[in-house]
Amino acid sequence: DAKTTQPPSMDCAEGRAANLPCNHSTISGNEYVYWYRQIHSQGPQYIIHGLKNNETNEMASLIITEDRKSSTLILPHATLRDTAVYYCIVRVADFNKFYFGSGTKLNVKP
Amino acid sequence: ETGVTQTPRHLVMGMTNKKSLKCEQHLGHNAMYWYKQSAKKPLELMFVYSLEERVENNSVPSRFSPECPNSSHLFLHLHTLQPEDSALYLCASSLGTSGRASTDTQYFGPGTRLTVL
Repeated sequence: DAKTTQPPSMDCAEGRAANLPCNHSTISGNEYVYWYRQIHSQGPQYIIHGLKNNETNEMASLIITEDRKSSTLILPHATLRDTAVYYCIVRVADFNKFYFGSGTKLNVKP
Repeated sequence: ETGVTQTPRHLVMGMTNKKSLKCEQHLGHNAMYWYKQSAKKPLELMFVYSLEERVENNSVPSRFSPECPNSSHLFLHLHTLQPEDSALYLCASSLGTSGRASTDTQYFGPGTRLTVL
């Protein structure tokens, strides 16, 4: 199973872009990269996913390197409500298993 | 609101009690999941149900017993738990488990905070 590596914590100023990195050097060709976030022990919230191409939705952008060994989640204008733990997940197709690591604690500061 | 509800939101039980956690999804999904999140630990997948059949049991002790009577409801029956079973129990659902990202995105409920005394 492809594992992911994320920094344990990051700070970001309110209104600035938050760029959250993730390494997944053992990812297989058919494995998707998903991002979720968890705000203070609530249920994880889906953000975005991608395979090869960069993706954007109303919440964030996902940039995946050409070799697919790493990706970056971008929150374009972080707000205090974006303070959360962000999880980068490589989905295993077998029965749709999601393996959550320790994630990155993003602290958005005024 | 994700369309996945869990009850109760908080539960305190003794080691000899029997209780059940309930999950309901209003999304028309066909797959449902139970996860456990202990303090300072990553989420652990416990069970996967697809079309009401259990397709994954991740080496979970028998004191946890899942039940999926239909595609909208999922239960986790608890008996003779240990204090180390105290955790946040999360339910999730997805449209399918087909290997296509368009159907496999999981949506989580708010969780049940369980304390075993």
